[in-house]
Amino acid sequence: DSGVTQTPKHLITATGQRVTLRCSPRSGDLSVYWYQQSLDQGLQFLIQYYNGEERAKGNILERFSAQQFPDLHSELNLSSLELGDSALYFCASSVSAGTDTQYFGPGTRLTVL
Amino acid sequence: EDQVTQSPEALRLQEGESSSLNCSYTVSGLRGLFWYRQDPGKGPEFLFTLYSAGEEKEKERLKATLTKKESFLHITAPKPEDSATYLCAVQANYGQNFVFGPGTRLSVLP
Repeated sequence: DSGVTQTPKHLITATGQRVTLRCSPRSGDLSVYWYQQSLDQGLQFLIQYYNGEERAKGNILERFSAQQFPDLHSELNLSSLELGDSALYFCASSVSAGTDTQYFGPGTRLTVL
Repeated sequence: EDQVTQSPEALRLQEGESSSLNCSYTVSGLRGLFWYRQDPGKGPEFLFTLYSAGEEKEKERLKATLTKKESFLHITAPKPEDSATYLCAVQANYGQNFVFGPGTRLSVLP
């Protein structure tokens, strides 16, 4: 158990809908990262937040957005969902903004029908 | 552009048959190289961090090594529970984000 929690574990929804994925980092970690993992692609970095502020953006679609709250939990919002958005979404956390080890949560499996 | 490749894509071993996985990288400046293990449908589990060429780290049957262009994950006398996908990631300079390789899918047969 990494100490990073994610909810829900599974999410099934329809195209065009909007969903919110939630992540709580390890105690003491200030940085949160979101990744997408689909069958045909490896782990793709989406976005990073550090202590409430957006720190870095990766391959995140405009339909996706995220935020980190004062209690340091983070939410990833996915809207206008398409079939191709079906994937595993992972959250990771680390102590500071640019430091080393990222610890991953168990993931949310999103299925768009 | 920072790139990470891993080989082989998949590897089948008999229990007790030692082998090595390769991670090759191209980065502007390496801050750290990370190895993770991932079981199907689960989050990656941290194994090792390596920072400089020549560095080695060990944990049970696993040993990771680093050169200037690649890293190896050596698996000695593997057991079926070592079956997983092994991911390699690099961080190129402080503050840069991780770039992950595609992984090596390891199966250890009893």
